[in-house]
Amino acid sequence: KAGVTQTPRYLIKTRGQQVTLSCSPISGHRSVSWYQQTPGQGLQFLFEYFSETQRNKGNFPGRFSGRQFSNSRSEMNVSTLELGDSALYLCASSRNGGTNAEAFFGQGTRLTVV
Amino acid sequence: AQTVTQSQPEMSVQEAETVTLSCTYDTSESDYYLFWYKQPPSRQMILVIRQEAYKQQNATENRFSVNFQKAAKSFSLKISDSQLGDAAMYFCAYRSHGSGNTGKLIFGQGTTLQVKP
Repeated sequence: KAGVTQTPRYLIKTRGQQVTLSCSPISGHRSVSWYQQTPGQGLQFLFEYFSETQRNKGNFPGRFSGRQFSNSRSEMNVSTLELGDSALYLCASSRNGGTNAEAFFGQGTRLTVV
Repeated sequence: AQTVTQSQPEMSVQEAETVTLSCTYDTSESDYYLFWYKQPPSRQMILVIRQEAYKQQNATENRFSVNFQKAAKSFSLKISDSQLGDAAMYFCAYRSHGSGNTGKLIFGQGTTLQVKP
């Protein structure tokens, strides 16, 4: 059974640019959550999608957005990149997002903004 | 809002010995889940152990066990017979259940565990 796949693994972008990260969940999983991990702030929840709908959102500016497709694959987009957006972005999928559903993580996308 | 606190930024243990990582949390909810995740240098987050708040019995997974004290809002992880492969950053995480039933995880700051041969 394939795990959670995040692409790309590494990205280098320039300030002001935008970036799109992709997450393919485990087959059968309908919930996808995104997290930002930085040395200073730790792991912070960005948003969660379930059945193509955003179900929960963290405290991030509107430059951070996401979506989920009918096959449960999810993308997150960051517009007008800032240096502080440099981080490891982790995606997690679970069967239904609640009721004892274990969350499985991808290997992350390392974004560097220069 | 729920919070999770790990007060030990770094811990070290001798190989084959036992170590306990601490975690406290704050919530007004009565129904929730608690987790310990391991993040090795590869950055892949791996679930170590899970505890349902409604269960009084402490969860155990092989060499890993927890001490769940609901009234004290404490959730510590004990690693027995530590192995070199246990070296990683460990995160304590909280997830709501019931009315707040989503996949959102709230993480502690993490504890880096060093295992000495």
